[in-house]
Amino acid sequence: QKEVEQNSGPLSVPEGAIASLNCTYSDRGSQSFFWYRQYSGKSPELIMFIYSNGDKEDGRFTAQLNKASQYVSLLIRDSQPSDSATYLCAAKGTGRRALTFGSGTRLQVQP
Amino acid sequence: ETGVTQTPRHLVMGMTNKKSLKCEQHLGHNAMYWYKQSAKKPLELMFVYSLEERVENNSVPSRFSPECPNSSHLFLHLHTLQPEDSALYLCASSRSSLSGTEAFFGQGTRLTVV
Repeated sequence: QKEVEQNSGPLSVPEGAIASLNCTYSDRGSQSFFWYRQYSGKSPELIMFIYSNGDKEDGRFTAQLNKASQYVSLLIRDSQPSDSATYLCAAKGTGRRALTFGSGTRLQVQP
Repeated sequence: ETGVTQTPRHLVMGMTNKKSLKCEQHLGHNAMYWYKQSAKKPLELMFVYSLEERVENNSVPSRFSPECPNSSHLFLHLHTLQPEDSALYLCASSRSSLSGTEAFFGQGTRLTVV
């Protein structure tokens, strides 16, 4: 079983719509979760992190965490073509010294 | 983004060559990491350094040899690599390796082994 799982996509949404990206994790002791965006040929850049159950909003981005269901999501409102990228979910597991990453979901925002 | 800087950005090397990748962070962080990213695979953690001490080695072949002379610099020495080692090698840093703090990545070195 993969420690952090994401649907590889591509997820295609029209410009202006809400994009919903999902992630599940297997280590129930994981305490912190991160979303990174990676454009083709570039390195991952941090978008948001979330530690507590519930929602956390930052501009057009909302991260949601449900520890009981071991589920993390990222909502992107008013999606723009420039949001087209691969989104990586990462978790910091119990006693782990580094983030464990999912394989990423490719998002395509259609103009 | 200049917080974590990697050089070179691109590297082509033969299987008998020896080369080194360099990473430097200007964020005052105490932990540094090497990750490998191959096509269609998740980021794979290779090494973790905390306060210049290697604290994790994820079963990486000995042809990859890390070095951390101080908390700001990290190297990955490469020798007798195989074509399957071709990938994007990413360096990252974070405030601490134990707390749940975010990691910041360098721009990566695109390595091609011929």
